[in-house]
Amino acid sequence: ETGVTQSPTHLIKTRGQQVTLRCSSQSGHNTVSWYQQALGQGPQFIFQYYREEENGRGNFPPRFSGLQFPNYSSELNVNALELDDSALYLCASSLPGMIMNTEAFFGQGTRLTVV
Amino acid sequence: AQSVTQLDSQVPVFEEAPVELRCNYSSSVSVYLFWYVQYPNQGLQLLLKYLSGSTLVKGINGFEAEFNKSQTSFHLRKPSVHISDTAEYFCAVFYEGAQKLVFGQGTRLTINP
Repeated sequence: ETGVTQSPTHLIKTRGQQVTLRCSSQSGHNTVSWYQQALGQGPQFIFQYYREEENGRGNFPPRFSGLQFPNYSSELNVNALELDDSALYLCASSLPGMIMNTEAFFGQGTRLTVV
Repeated sequence: AQSVTQLDSQVPVFEEAPVELRCNYSSSVSVYLFWYVQYPNQGLQLLLKYLSGSTLVKGINGFEAEFNKSQTSFHLRKPSVHISDTAEYFCAVFYEGAQKLVFGQGTRLTINP
């Protein structure tokens, strides 16, 4: 039990819609990262938040956006959904430090299906 | 560009046999290396990590990995596998310069009785 919880666990959306995924980080962790894992692939880094600010981003378009709240929970928002956005979305929390993500704890993920 | 390559997409082995899952990464001055395991419908669990020091690192569930800087490799090994080791295994490299954790595409380990 890592203490990182994500909601919902499964979601079906229609192309063009918007979606919000949520993540509650492990107690004491103030850094949250989001990853997209397409079927049969490794996770791809979307972005990272530290103290409510984005401080790292992967190769994802601006329609992928996020928020981090004062309690360090986080949201991932995706606008104008495309079929290729269908994937497992993973949230990971960690303590900041010189070596980020050295103890990243992952949630169980949200499986998004776009039809 | 930062990249991580897991050379085998699937590895079938018999129970109690040894196994090696291979991982190579694009070279960089400062990297930190990880292996994660993913069971069906689950998130990722950290198996082991290399940050510095001894190049042979031991993790949970009897797994170990060896960091080879000259070969830019970080292969995962277990001397005797169990049915419960059936899962997807991911090698990941944190590139300090880019502040980015990059995953390989995964290796599916299947244990046959």
